[in-house]
Amino acid sequence: KNEVEQSPQNLTAQEGEFITINCSYSVGISALHWLQQHPGGGIVSLFMLSSGKKKHGRLIATINIQEKHSSLHITASHPRDSAVYICAVRGGGADGLTFGKGTHLIIQP
Amino acid sequence: DTGVSQDPRHKITKRGQNVTFRCDPISEHNRLYWYRQTLGQGPEFLTYFQNEAQLEKSRLLSDRFSAERPKGSFSTLEIQRTEQGDSAMYLCASSLDWGALSTGELFFGEGSRLTVL
Repeated sequence: KNEVEQSPQNLTAQEGEFITINCSYSVGISALHWLQQHPGGGIVSLFMLSSGKKKHGRLIATINIQEKHSSLHITASHPRDSAVYICAVRGGGADGLTFGKGTHLIIQP
Repeated sequence: DTGVSQDPRHKITKRGQNVTFRCDPISEHNRLYWYRQTLGQGPEFLTYFQNEAQLEKSRLLSDRFSAERPKGSFSTLEIQRTEQGDSAMYLCASSLDWGALSTGELFFGEGSRLTVL
């Protein structure tokens, strides 16, 4: 079973700061997802990665397969980025995703 | 297409009652997943379907839980003889996983929140 660890668990930052959220997993994977969850439960898929780097607007996701590690970066952070960011991986013998516990991000104006 | 929809959004029930949740995935998506999320935790995988076939079940899915996707479209998740520990958000997601057409991207519903009194 894959173990997914995220850090930090909680992060409070000022508007405009560069944000980094980290995700480590224990077993080789076929894909890694970064998800955003707002209060009330709705989950939005931000990225799906199997290698390298992806960018969408102010969001950048990277993955290092050898080190079993991924990072999600937010540039020029804004209060509307406040949410829980969840890392999830597929692989390790299962097709269902294994999720991290999430990083609770608060961006203060 | 309005995305993945789940019904009901909230359900309050007494211990011992049966409850059923429905998920309507995005119409062309062949994979459908059920997850459970408790407060402060990340979602946990319960089961998934490829078309109408249930391909994988988590050990979290006790014999009180059953899921179906009879025609490969909508799915139901039934919990029999509910217990207080079943209180959680039940999330449904769908994706298109079909060879070269696969994006692997997951689309989630808003979830069905269950409270067992």
